[in-house]
Amino acid sequence: KAGVTQTPRYLIKTRGQQVTLSCSPISGHRSVSWYQQTPGQGLQFLFEYFSETQRNKGNFPGRFSGRQFSNSRSEMNVSTLELGDSALYLCASSSNLDTQYFGPGTRLTVL
Amino acid sequence: AQKVTQAQTEISVVEKEDVTLDCVYETRDTTYYLFWYKQPPSGELVFLIRRNSFDEQNEISGRYSWNFQKSTSSFNFTITASQVVDSAVYFCALRNTGGFKTIFGAGTRLFVKA
Repeated sequence: KAGVTQTPRYLIKTRGQQVTLSCSPISGHRSVSWYQQTPGQGLQFLFEYFSETQRNKGNFPGRFSGRQFSNSRSEMNVSTLELGDSALYLCASSSNLDTQYFGPGTRLTVL
Repeated sequence: AQKVTQAQTEISVVEKEDVTLDCVYETRDTTYYLFWYKQPPSGELVFLIRRNSFDEQNEISGRYSWNFQKSTSSFNFTITASQVVDSAVYFCALRNTGGFKTIFGAGTRLFVKA
């Protein structure tokens, strides 16, 4: 089976712009979670989707949003980018409450 | 509240040494999962092991072994005869069955020197 894929792998944006990141889960997996990883805050949970429904959301401002499509692919969007949004964004897929498998991440740099 | 504590920020060992990474967790749930992930410099989190809360049997996989003790809320990870390729950041994580999210520890950076 192919693993979790994330696109793009690297992204450079400027403050105030918005960005959309994409995640394709492992075939058959219906749960997709997003995490932000920064040197200062570590791995922080953003949100989790299952069958197109958001089941849980982390403590992030409303500028961070996501969605899941009927094919389980997921996107997350960050609007009005701030310097502090520079991070590695990791997507993970699982069959439901089972083990999460992570993608390679999207490294976002905000200038 | 759920919490995962990895008290060791960095560990440096010489190749062939054994090393143990500590993990202590907190949860009020009786049913939960514990995980260890490895993050090499490439950035991708690699799944190593999952343990259910009702299964305290220790596990060995090659040079890796895990010791789960509910009485002390610990899930420690030992690498025997470490190798340079083991150099990475290791994360311990907790996921309860109803919370739909995984809580990660801060990670332990392991340096294995040749």
